[in-house]
Amino acid sequence: DQQVKQNSPSLSVQEGRISILNCDYTNSMFDYFLWYKKYPAEGPTFLISISSIKDKNEDGRFTVFLNKSAKHLSLHIVPSQPGDSAVYFCAASAVAQFYFGTGTSLTVIP
Amino acid sequence: DARVTQTPRHKVTEMGQEVTMRCQPILGHNTVFWYRQTMMQGLELLAYFRNRAPLDDSGMPKDRFSAEMPDATLATLKIQPSEPRDSAVYFCASGLPPPGRGGFGELFFGEGSRLTVL
Repeated sequence: DQQVKQNSPSLSVQEGRISILNCDYTNSMFDYFLWYKKYPAEGPTFLISISSIKDKNEDGRFTVFLNKSAKHLSLHIVPSQPGDSAVYFCAASAVAQFYFGTGTSLTVIP
Repeated sequence: DARVTQTPRHKVTEMGQEVTMRCQPILGHNTVFWYRQTMMQGLELLAYFRNRAPLDDSGMPKDRFSAEMPDATLATLKIQPSEPRDSAVYFCASGLPPPGRGGFGELFFGEGSRLTVL
């Protein structure tokens, strides 16, 4: 059973606009949430994270929002750039657990 | 430049053959994960080691898969016998659990081992 879900397999956005990637989770024991970025033929790399005690974390063009009551988090990229085109994985962790979603392929159109 | 190293990068084999994938975690990291990337499941957790002891391998098909850490610098994932449905990219990741909190922070991934079973 998928504990972390990304329901949008793909997303296309115009350069300069906002990209919003969504993620839902089912396990209320998760206390740390992360986003990873993956280019073809490379391993995933860490992008941004948020603790369950916060509802927002911002790092440059990237902001992660957490809604614990809805068990939902989102990643906002503003402004989107062509180099942001990649697969984005949402992840959630708790004691002895670290689960990833199925990924969303983002394409930023120049 | 600390990184997770995986070998082989690519492996093509025939059904029924044994396959061994190796991972060298970042020095000092005491936690190692094995993941398999598939289209349907995304990054699927196979096994998880802390201080070389397996803590969770519930995601791994036990009849053909085995994972070990012979020492702190080497993790192995073995498939015997391999089947075409095992074709995927296998990732190893290492990290350190942060003190005083349950969930993990950042994991560092290797570049993956792409396995093709014919």
